[in-house]
Amino acid sequence: SQTIHQWPATLVQPVGSPLSLECTVEGTSNPNLYWYRQAAGRGLQLLFYSVGIGQISSEVPQNLSASRPQDRQFILSSKKLLLSDSGFYLCAWSLTGWASPLHFGNGTRLTVT
Amino acid sequence: GQNIDQPTEMTATEGAIVQINCTYQTSGFNGLFWYQQHAGEAPTFLSYNVLDGLEEKGRFSSFLSRSKGYSYLLLKELQMKDSASYLCAVSPSTDSWGKLQFGAGTQVVVTP
Repeated sequence: SQTIHQWPATLVQPVGSPLSLECTVEGTSNPNLYWYRQAAGRGLQLLFYSVGIGQISSEVPQNLSASRPQDRQFILSSKKLLLSDSGFYLCAWSLTGWASPLHFGNGTRLTVT
Repeated sequence: GQNIDQPTEMTATEGAIVQINCTYQTSGFNGLFWYQQHAGEAPTFLSYNVLDGLEEKGRFSSFLSRSKGYSYLLLKELQMKDSASYLCAVSPSTDSWGKLQFGAGTQVVVTP
C-alpha cells in the first residue's frame, strides 16, 4: 500500500530565515505530487504541483519554490520567510489516472515569528 | 471566478443525520470530492462524484447535480468521532485531477 511521509511536523522560524519541507511517497511510481497550504480558518490553497521529476507548476505567486529531485520526493523551500507564510502545509499525492483522489501527508505546522 | 460555498458550522445530536450542502461555480468540472479533517490533522478522503446521482459508502453518502452546481454529503447515525470539518473540493482542471479548489469547510459538532 502507498504511504506518504512529511516532515517536520511543527516548525517555528524567524522572519527572514530559510525554509525546507520534505515529503516522500512510498509504494507507487510516478505519482502526481502537490503542496497545499491551509491558513487558519480558511480553505486549502494549492501552491505547487508536479507530474514528474523536475516538472513543477506554480499556482500562486509567492516567495516559495518547490523541487522534485527524485520521482517520489517533493521539497518546498523559501530563501526568506515572511510572517504571512505561517500556516499548515500539506503534501499530497495522487495517481495519474481518472478521478484519482488526493492523499495527504500529516502536514507541517509552520509559525513564522 | 472560482467559488465553492458550504455552511460554516452545523450541530447535530449523536445518532441523528446531518446533510452538508456545497454549491460551486468553477471554470471547469471533472468531479467533486469530500474530505474529513479533524482538528490539527490532515484531510482524509471520504468520497467523490463524477456523474449525477448518489454514491453511498457505509454511513456516508454523497450526491451530485452537475446542472445545478450542487452537492451534498449525508452523514447518518452520527457518532461523536464524526465531529470534524468536512471539506468540499472541485477538480476543475483538465491536466490534473489533483488540482482541487476547496471550500472553507463545514465544522460539524456532534453533541451527546
